[in-house]
Amino acid sequence: GNSVTQMEGPVTLSEEAFLTINCTYTATGYPSLFWYVQYPGEGLQLLLKATKADDKGSNKGFEATYRKETTSFHLEKGSVQVSDSAVYFCALSENSGGYQKVTFGTGTKLQVIP
Amino acid sequence: DAGVIQSPRHEVTEMGQEVTLRCKPISGHDYLFWYRQTMMRGLELLIYFNNNVPIDDSGMPEDRFSAKMPNASFSTLKIQPSEPRDSAVYFCASSPGDSSSYEQYFGPGTRLTVT
Repeated sequence: GNSVTQMEGPVTLSEEAFLTINCTYTATGYPSLFWYVQYPGEGLQLLLKATKADDKGSNKGFEATYRKETTSFHLEKGSVQVSDSAVYFCALSENSGGYQKVTFGTGTKLQVIP
Repeated sequence: DAGVIQSPRHEVTEMGQEVTLRCKPISGHDYLFWYRQTMMRGLELLIYFNNNVPIDDSGMPEDRFSAKMPNASFSTLKIQPSEPRDSAVYFCASSPGDSSSYEQYFGPGTRLTVT
């Protein structure tokens, strides 16, 4: 079956530091890949996505590149802010038997300190 | 669009009582998902629907849980009888059916406390 593995958290960084959150996946087909962010007390919201190999998703200064050769989709940001403190989920979705099938990682908590 | 709407936002009930959580998906979305999130178990997929039909309910914990989607704009998740271990945040999410765009849109969640 499909699976998504994220680095364990929490990750604590100082403001303006560089962020990397690792994500690797296993899938039987050709999935789309996503990063979702969950701020305290809220639901998950889509941060960025990539639908095929070598695509780069980007939003709000965050980037991730779909690497089929390493089955990875690492999230990066050059300079984090306190407002980026949240839980980040890597996810994949693909068509399985005619239906959408989605798999989420366990989430990585990011804490940015001033 | 108003996004995915869930009600109530908070529910406190006593053990043994019936609890009904409600969800209105984004108009035009073909998929609806119910998730449960706890500190211990993280985010768990309970059940999902496609065009109002349940596709996979393997994540439903036990027979005390049931979900329905009587039409394209409404779904319920019912717990009867409720137990303290059901305390969690329950999220509803919807997704378009276009296979090039399977992103999910989450509601704000219902925080359930069973005492």
